Amino acid sequence: QVQLQQWGAGLLKPSDTLSLTCAVSGGSFSGYYWTWIRQPPGEGLEWIGDITHSGSTNYNPSLKSRVTISVDTSKNQFSLHLTSLTAADTAVYYCARGSLVASADYWGQGTLVTVSS
Amino acid sequence: DIQMTQSPSSLSASVGDRVTITCRASQGFYNYLAWFQQKPGKVPKLLIYSASTLQLGVPSRFSGSGSGTEFTLTITNLQPEDVATYYCQKYNSAPRTFGQGTKVEIK
Repeated sequence: QVQLQQWGAGLLKPSDTLSLTCAVSGGSFSGYYWTWIRQPPGEGLEWIGDITHSGSTNYNPSLKSRVTISVDTSKNQFSLHLTSLTAADTAVYYCARGSLVASADYWGQGTLVTVSS
Repeated sequence: DIQMTQSPSSLSASVGDRVTITCRASQGFYNYLAWFQQKPGKVPKLLIYSASTLQLGVPSRFSGSGSGTEFTLTITNLQPEDVATYYCQKYNSAPRTFGQGTKVEIK
């Protein structure tokens, strides 16, 4: 049973850096791309980016200058860092397992990140 | 980058109705198209991948079709538990863009 468990700070101030980590258990860590997706309150899903187990990354062009996704294969974990936060970054952030077979088939529980002074 | 546009943005239908949601891509691509269901306050759930393959455990009243630039999600015999927002996503290459969502309600 594949499970993704995510954690990180939920309340941040403008100009802070968001840091979230997602731990993967119950399945292989290789052969997939590990994904971050966010959803502002009342809005739709936005793909942030992804990383393979070997560290190859892809980012949403609209966020690329502020985003870093990293991987720790020794712990089967991957992380999201988003800098220079503004209120527009307030959202529920999800981690997910992706593949070219079935897109995002397993998701984390979501973390609400609020950016407010 | 390829843009994904869903229509309609919302719909209201009766229990037992057939519902169709369309997802159009700004450029054609092979069938790396997924559909997700998100119920209020819940994590999105994968319904269909490769445009038409039903994810394990998803009821057979859900089906997907299409290729190139136009894809559809069909719900036959709409049930009260199908009230949700549905999203398409292209996942063949980055950016793996989502459509803006279609909210389905019961009349």
